[in-house]
Amino acid sequence: GQNIDQPTEMTATEGAIVQINCTYQTSGFNGLFWYQQHAGEAPTFLSYNVLDGLEEKGRFSSFLSRSKGYSYLLLKELQMKDSASYLCAVRGRGQNFVFGPGTRLSVLP
Amino acid sequence: DSGVTQTPKHLITATGQRVTLRCSPRSGDLSVYWYQQSLDQGLQFLIQYYNGEERAKGNILERFSAQQFPDLHSELNLSSLELGDSALYFCASSGRVADNTQYFGPGTRLTVL
Repeated sequence: GQNIDQPTEMTATEGAIVQINCTYQTSGFNGLFWYQQHAGEAPTFLSYNVLDGLEEKGRFSSFLSRSKGYSYLLLKELQMKDSASYLCAVRGRGQNFVFGPGTRLSVLP
Repeated sequence: DSGVTQTPKHLITATGQRVTLRCSPRSGDLSVYWYQQSLDQGLQFLIQYYNGEERAKGNILERFSAQQFPDLHSELNLSSLELGDSALYFCASSGRVADNTQYFGPGTRLTVL
C-alpha cells in the first residue's frame, strides 16, 4: 500500500525554527516534494528531494533519507506569513503522486 | 500570479451532469498536472500530460477524462457527476520532464447539487 504520515498540527513562535516531519511507504520512489498552501489558495512548490541529504533554499530546507522513508522540512526565522498547511508528497511508481494529509502550522507572535 | 490560468473559477451544477474544466499552462511549460482537493480526501493527483501525451495516471475515476491539446492547454472532463465530486480542482504546469517545480493555477471550485 501507499501511506504518507505527517503531524496534523504544529505551533511555533515568530523567529523560531520548526521542523515538520514526513514518513512514507510507497510503491517505488521518484522524488519527494514539499508544498505550502495558505487557506483558500493554491499550493506553492517549496522543494524537491530525490537523493539523500539536505537541500537548502533560503529560510527553507528539506532533508531526505530514502532508507528510512523519512523527510523533514525545516523552516528558520519563522514569520507570521509562514502560517499555512505544508504538504508532503511522494512521486512513486509510474510517476504517480501520493500526498500526505498536510501539517497545519500556526506561527504565534 | 503563477502564470497558470484556470477557467471557470466557480462551477455549480447538478448530479448526473457533465462539465469541462480548462487550464492554460505557463508560457513554454510542456507538462500539465490535474489535482482534486476535497475536505475529506486532501489533495489527490489525478493525471499528468507532457507535450500532448499522457505521462502519469493517479486516482482518476473512469467518469473523468483529460487531454492536452497542441497549443498545450488542457481540459478535464467530469461526467455523470455525483455529490462527492464537489471539490477544488487544481491544474499545475512545469517545464521539461526533468523540471520538478510545479506552478499551480488558482483552481476551479466545483459544487454538485
